[in-house]
Amino acid sequence: KAGVTQTPRYLIKTRGQQVTLSCSPISGHRSVSWYQQTPGQGLQFLFEYFSETQRNKGNFPGRFSGRQFSNSRSEMNVSTLELGDSALYLCASRSGSEQYFGPGTRLTVT
Amino acid sequence: AQTVTQSQPEMSVQEAETVTLSCTYDTSESNYYLFWYKQPPSRQMILVIRQEAYKQQNATENRFSVNFQKAAKSFSLKISDSQLGDTAMYFCAFILYSGAGSYQLTFGKGTKLSVIP
Repeated sequence: KAGVTQTPRYLIKTRGQQVTLSCSPISGHRSVSWYQQTPGQGLQFLFEYFSETQRNKGNFPGRFSGRQFSNSRSEMNVSTLELGDSALYLCASRSGSEQYFGPGTRLTVT
Repeated sequence: AQTVTQSQPEMSVQEAETVTLSCTYDTSESNYYLFWYKQPPSRQMILVIRQEAYKQQNATENRFSVNFQKAAKSFSLKISDSQLGDTAMYFCAFILYSGAGSYQLTFGKGTKLSVIP
């Protein structure tokens, strides 16, 4: 089976812009979670989607949003980008209790 | 709230030797899973090993094994016969099991392991 894929892999944006990241889970997996990884805060949970419904959301401002489509692909959107949003954004698809991660999208905000 | 603590920010080990990475966690729940993930310089997060809290037997995966002490809330990772490819950040993570609910991984800060030739 193909693994979790994320696009794009690298992204450079300017403060105030918005960005959309995409994640395709492993075939058959219906759950997708998003995590933000920064040197200062480490790995932090953003949200989880299961069958197109947001099941859980981490402690992030409303500028961070997401959605999931009927084919389980998920997108994450960040509006009004701030310098502190620079991070590696990881997507994971779940089977049972195990989460499998994609390669991540490296977002740089200038 | 669940917390995961990794007290060793960095460690090093000689190739072919054995190393143990420490992890403690805190939860009031009784039904959960614990994981070790590896993140090499490529940044791809790789699942190394999984332990169910209800199982007393320690999990093993080839050269990787855990020492799970539920009462002490301790979950250490032992890497035997260390190889250069084991050089990576290692994250201890915790997930709550809920039959109809959400899953959310809580990660420790990580331990940077360097395998020295």
